[in-house]
Amino acid sequence: EDQVTQSPEALRLQEGESSSLNCSYTVSGLRGLFWYRQDPGKGPEFLFTLYSAGEEKEKERLKATLTKKESFLHITAPKPEDSATYLCAVNSGGYQKVTFGTGTKLQVIP
Amino acid sequence: EPEVTQTPSHQVTQMGQEVILRCVPISNHLYFYWYRQILGQKVEFLVSFYNNEISEKSEIFDDQFSVERPDGSNFTLKIRSTKLEDSAMYFCASSPGGRGDTQYFGPGTRLTVL
Repeated sequence: EDQVTQSPEALRLQEGESSSLNCSYTVSGLRGLFWYRQDPGKGPEFLFTLYSAGEEKEKERLKATLTKKESFLHITAPKPEDSATYLCAVNSGGYQKVTFGTGTKLQVIP
Repeated sequence: EPEVTQTPSHQVTQMGQEVILRCVPISNHLYFYWYRQILGQKVEFLVSFYNNEISEKSEIFDDQFSVERPDGSNFTLKIRSTKLEDSAMYFCASSPGGRGDTQYFGPGTRLTVL
């Protein structure tokens, strides 16, 4: 069964203080690794899809990277509006379902 | 930009009552999904739907649950006899293709069972 572990559970940053969120995964045949942002009471908002080790994607202050065992979401010079829970999820094998981690709750303080 | 929509945003019901949650997936997508998130917990897969039939379901998706695509745009989740533990956020999602394709989520329906 697919397993996704995210760390840390919570992260508090000063505005402009860069950091990284970790997603470790155990799957049988990765087909896609996804990063979503979730605001309180809202649905997951798509950020990135990564398919193979070595792949990187960027969007504004966010950059996602992928290895064979983990993915990182790097946040450069975050702003208060980046405060949210960041979810990592995987799809693998012959399944259509996506398995989510428990998320990292990010708070960026002005 | 196309998006998944869901109605209602909040549904309150009495235990034992039937509820229907509605979703309009992105128009050119072929795969549709329901997930749920109990407060403070992770997002969990319930069911996937393709070509007018269930293609995959989880252990959570028991006989109390059913899904339907009644017309060319709507996708529904029915819970026949709600229980207290069904209280959660229910998210609809859709994707252009199946395995490995990005799933796009709706804003959710908050179901409260009293």
